[in-house]
Amino acid sequence: DIQMTQSPSSLSASVGDRVTITCRASQTVTHYLNWYQQTPGKAPNLLIYAASALQSGVPSRFSGRGSGTEFTLTISGLQPEDFATYYCQQSYSAPPTFGQGTKVEIK
Amino acid sequence: EVQLVESGGGLIQPGGSLRLSCAASGFIVTNNYMSWVRQASGKGLEWVSIIYSGGGTDYADSVKGRFTISRDTSENTLYLQMNSLRADDTAVYYCARDGILGTARYDAFDLWGQGTKVTVSS
Repeated sequence: DIQMTQSPSSLSASVGDRVTITCRASQTVTHYLNWYQQTPGKAPNLLIYAASALQSGVPSRFSGRGSGTEFTLTISGLQPEDFATYYCQQSYSAPPTFGQGTKVEIK
Repeated sequence: EVQLVESGGGLIQPGGSLRLSCAASGFIVTNNYMSWVRQASGKGLEWVSIIYSGGGTDYADSVKGRFTISRDTSENTLYLQMNSLRADDTAVYYCARDGILGTARYDAFDLWGQGTKVTVSS
């Protein structure tokens, strides 16, 4: 199975900050990398697919980059509703696997 | 409205069985890849099982031989039959649509249910 590792595991930031989360795969996943946001008690919500494509309805302050084994999710101008846990997930090969999550907390 | 609604969770003793349901509306289950994903309390997301549009299935090693995914065309519903349940199966179980997105047809879990909680304990 492909292992997905996110860093950091958690971070503290303020409203308006620019935040970057990194996701590394144990082997290449080309561009088959997705990002999800999860708030407490809610289901995950797809933000980014194919490494950099913004899912419909997702604000443009979210952006994704990368290919191969290293990827980033950037939130430009953190909003109060963005304080959540973020997961990366590879869909390159079965089984689909997720990173352990990055919790973005209010500073 | 396009949505997924899970049901069937609850408290069950180790070794017991439970069937989860996921009712879909606004789209046809059999035209899509559909998965179950679980999340233990305070933990990350773990993919459990998938049923492809053609009917083929696949499972995580941790549940293979114990869980069975299926679907009902007339009810437009996805199921997860869970047998020989263990304490480490305790989690919130989500059904999710494995959507095919973009012109290059990448796949991602683009629609999720609200989750149903399964607790395995004596």
